[in-house]
Formats: sequence, C-alpha cells, structure tokens
Amino acid sequence: ETGVTQTPRHLVMGMTNKKSLKCEQHLGHNAMYWYKQSAKKPLELMFVYSLEERVENNSVPSRFSPECPNSSHLFLHLHTLQPEDSALYLCASSQEVWVSGANVLTFGAGSRLTVL
Amino acid sequence: GQQVMQIPQYQHVQEGEDFTTYCNSSTTLSNIQWYKQRPGGHPVFLIQLVKSGEVKKQKRLTFQFGEAKKNSSLHITATQTTDVGTYFCAGRILSYGGSQGNLIFGKGTKLSVKP
Repeated sequence: ETGVTQTPRHLVMGMTNKKSLKCEQHLGHNAMYWYKQSAKKPLELMFVYSLEERVENNSVPSRFSPECPNSSHLFLHLHTLQPEDSALYLCASSQEVWVSGANVLTFGAGSRLTVL
Repeated sequence: GQQVMQIPQYQHVQEGEDFTTYCNSSTTLSNIQWYKQRPGGHPVFLIQLVKSGEVKKQKRLTFQFGEAKKNSSLHITATQTTDVGTYFCAGRILSYGGSQGNLIFGKGTKLSVKP
C-alpha cells in the first residue's frame, strides 16, 4: 500500500463506452498527477493538479477528461477511446509541484486499460 | 522538446555482476530523481540528487550527479535477483519556462539478472 489508491486495477472497454478511473491519496499531498505508460513509450505526463487547480495539460486528446474535486481525489474520465489508448494509467501525488525536494512522486499501483 | 536520454535500454547480467545505467540531459537540471519499477508493478522513488557532483549510496546502489548537473548514473554492485526491474531517471529542468514542476522521465533501463 503506497498511500495512493487507484481503481479499478483493470478495465476493458469498447471504443464507444464511457468509463472513469479513480485515484485517492491519503498522504496529505497538494499535487496529483496522471501519467500514461505504454510498452513503447516512457512515462508520459498527462495532467497535473495543484490544490485542485489544473496546472499542466500536456496536449492530451479531449477524449481524456480529468477532474479533481479536492486535493485527495483525482479522476480520469474516458470516452470514445481508441485501441492505441490501451496502456497502464498511473496516478501519482507529491507534496508540492514546484518546490525542489517536495516534488518526489508517490505512484499508485496503476489501472491497466484495454480498449477493444 | 526537452529530453532526458537514458542508456542502455536493456541490460542482462549474471547474478553477482555489476550494473550501471546512465542518464544525460542536453540542458542543466535542477535535480534528478531515480525510480525503480518491478515487473508488473509501479515506479517507486529511490533517491533524489540536487548538488553538483553529489554522490549518494544506498547499500549496493551508488547514485552520482555530474559536475555540470547534466548527467547522472546509478551503479549496482554485485547484482541480486531482487534487483530485477526497470530503473528510471527523472530530471527537473533548471530553467524550464513552462511548468517548473514537470519531471522529464528517461525511457528506463530494464535490468534482468540470471541466477
């Protein structure tokens, strides 16, 4: 248990489905992140939230929609995904985003997404 | 865009042999972090280096940050089967005009150890 909990751990969805990934952190951190990890690419940063405010959006397609209702919870809403979106989606948190030494990432176990 | 290059991509060693992975950036880094991801697992933070020329040790692991703060290395002495996994470096660009919080991850070095 890392202090960052992701659900579901595995998700299979069709291209027309709508689903959501959930992340919850119990570490009292102020920043939360979504990363995508696929077999061929390194960890790709998707979104960064600092105190519930989105501070980074790395040219992510609009079929991925993040939501951060409070500093402990982060969602990734998925709709009309493509098969190439199949990957491991990792949530992470850190104490702060911009303070060196306080931006060490604690990752959740990930949500393995398969798009058929 | 900004990149952190990591080599080698794969390394196969016999148990007991040493292992080194290298990270290089074209621009100066404010700090560098190292993470380990076991097969089927998620990245776990190992260490952060901040100072030029810094060397830190964790048992059989030695981490170095270059004098110019553009490169770093992780060296494992006498590998064990428990060292298996992918090792990632993540550098924070010193003067990145956009998001200063963006850690740039290397592609990782996947280590396998033959018992």
